[in-house]
Amino acid sequence: DGGITQSPKYLFRKEGQNVTLSCEQNLNHDAMYWYRQDPGQGLRLIYYSQIVNDFQKGDIAEGYSVSREKKESFPLTVTSAQKNPTAFYLCASRPPTGARTTGELFFGEGSRLTVL
Amino acid sequence: GQNIDQPTEMTATEGAIVQINCTYQTSGFNGLFWYQQHAGEAPTFLSYNVLDGLEEKGRFSSFLSRSKGYSYLLLKELQMKDSASYLCAVRSSNSGNTPLVFGKGTRLSVIA
Repeated sequence: DGGITQSPKYLFRKEGQNVTLSCEQNLNHDAMYWYRQDPGQGLRLIYYSQIVNDFQKGDIAEGYSVSREKKESFPLTVTSAQKNPTAFYLCASRPPTGARTTGELFFGEGSRLTVL
Repeated sequence: GQNIDQPTEMTATEGAIVQINCTYQTSGFNGLFWYQQHAGEAPTFLSYNVLDGLEEKGRFSSFLSRSKGYSYLLLKELQMKDSASYLCAVRSSNSGNTPLVFGKGTRLSVIA
């Protein structure tokens, strides 16, 4: 079945360590997104990519990095520069714009990162 | 700037009807989305409005007024499984891949 797979589902790290969250999709979508969710904060955009080898910063990109070497993959690295990395991270993709699509986002199951 | 407002929490009784409001101020408008999110899970798509009026889909309906920057999600015949957060999101540009801007979500509790 087609979908978006995020891994790991739960991750613990010590302060000062970088960690990479995986996001893979087999939906053949060009656009992919990373959001962060904190309690009472809703979803905030970290980075997005509209096509392979291209990505743009979102509203809260500081302390994060991404790559888009393949259409299917959009990994997110949480660096030691991110001051408050403990959060729920959601990856999403979007089908191409067209008359028959609403353009809604398809989400992965999320990765919960806890910094000890 | 972009701003999307929703109530933080709501409580309703099983079998009743509940309306969750969303107001938005964005630099442009090209569609409003409602998502349902159960605790610890991914959001799932509920509805989409781009023109004024009501869109109905089973027990769920969504309304949009672009001139007022206002939408609501109407849930009928509430069930316990409807207890979840409901997220309002706006696409602010005609560019299809413009990221959605999300409100903070409304946590709905359905009680017996």
